[in-house]
Amino acid sequence: EVYLVESGGGLVQPGRSLRLSCAASGFTLDDYAMHWVRQAPGKGLEWVSGISWNSGSIGYADSVKGRFTISRDNAKNSLYLQMNSLRVEDTALYYCAKDIAVTPNWYFDLWGRGTLVTVSS
Amino acid sequence: EIVMTQSPATLSVSPGERATLSCRASQSVSSNLAWYQQKPGQPPRLLIYGASTRATGIPARFSGSGSGTEFTLTISSLQSEDFAVYYCQQYNNWPPHTFGQGTKLEIK
Repeated sequence: EVYLVESGGGLVQPGRSLRLSCAASGFTLDDYAMHWVRQAPGKGLEWVSGISWNSGSIGYADSVKGRFTISRDNAKNSLYLQMNSLRVEDTALYYCAKDIAVTPNWYFDLWGRGTLVTVSS
Repeated sequence: EIVMTQSPATLSVSPGERATLSCRASQSVSSNLAWYQQKPGQPPRLLIYGASTRATGIPARFSGSGSGTEFTLTISSLQSEDFAVYYCQQYNNWPPHTFGQGTKLEIK
């Protein structure tokens, strides 16, 4: 069975940092690009960042550019999101999502259940 | 950035009836459009890609159409498990990937 499991969420004060992780199981991570997508409480989906299979192509939403960094460790079958200078508006459920190809410019055929990040003083 | 606009925001339909959901792109995305279904407390699930191709395991009552800037998701005969929120996503221009704001399909 293939699945993704996110971890690392929690309550953090504005301006602080948090690192999210996503562990892949049942498939080889380096065969695919990966993404982070977030969903604020009661709101829609917002793509955050994507990374190609070999980390050679990376993209960010304007809302997080310069504050968030996506990375991956294919040997550990894991994806990461380093979030710095967190803002109240970053509060959301963060999903890890698998692309259907090696480059991060397609659609997402597998999603994790998400990890909740709450930014509040 | 390509803006995706879905309509209506909420659609009330009776079980067994047909539902038609719309998605419009601010510029052409060719056929590079996907649809996702999200039920409460669950992650999104891929329904349609390439504007009209059903993903693995998706029932035939789900169909997608359109190209360019106008797209439609049709559910031919609504089942109780189909009541959910539906999102469209363009993947023609990256970054960023952009989603519509969602259409909530509710029981009438």
